[in-house]
Amino acid sequence: GDSVTQMEGPVTLSEEAFLTINCTYTATGYPSLFWYVQYPGEGLQLLLKATKADDKGSNKGFEATYRKETTSFHLEKGSVQVSDSAVYFCALPLRGSNYQLIWGAGTKLIIKP
Amino acid sequence: NAGVTQTPKFQVLKTGQSMTLQCAQDMNHNSMYWYRQDPGMGLRLIYYSASEGTTDKGEVPNGYNVSRLNKREFSLRLESAAPSQTSVYFCASSELGGGLNYEQYFGPGTRLTVT
Repeated sequence: GDSVTQMEGPVTLSEEAFLTINCTYTATGYPSLFWYVQYPGEGLQLLLKATKADDKGSNKGFEATYRKETTSFHLEKGSVQVSDSAVYFCALPLRGSNYQLIWGAGTKLIIKP
Repeated sequence: NAGVTQTPKFQVLKTGQSMTLQCAQDMNHNSMYWYRQDPGMGLRLIYYSASEGTTDKGEVPNGYNVSRLNKREFSLRLESAAPSQTSVYFCASSELGGGLNYEQYFGPGTRLTVT
């Protein structure tokens, strides 16, 4: 079945470092892809999305490109800040459902000043 | 505009006790969801309600019941709590319609411990 695999964390970086969090997926067709972020003590919130292959989603300095050749949707940011410390989740729709998402396990990001 | 609110924030139960987790949204969303979050496992859908008056099972419904009280409110009930239900529970909502259902808005969560 369809699935999402994220790199294990935690990922620890210094402020202003370049960030990549890997996400690969297995799916039939070309579903929409999502990144959600969970800040400490809060619920998840949508960070960015891409609705078709080769699309780039972007928000708050984060970017992710939907690459069908490598079935990947890696999250990147050029210069991270302490405030980016959070857990990041990659997700895609469950095939055949209009409501359910398949979630990655989450990658915890720690930014040190 | 409070978004999605959940009560309580924390709860400790003894095995066999029951409780109801409350969720409300003020965004006029049609669809609502209950998830549990366990370490290293991402989110797992317990139940969802596509619209007022309907509920459907998700990935892990056993041991839970839900009620869509009205368009705003969606409650989750544990009839006889078990230690395996120790988790963080999130309520979420989304607009009805295609891809908008995947853009979900989450509450702050309820941390439940069952001893």
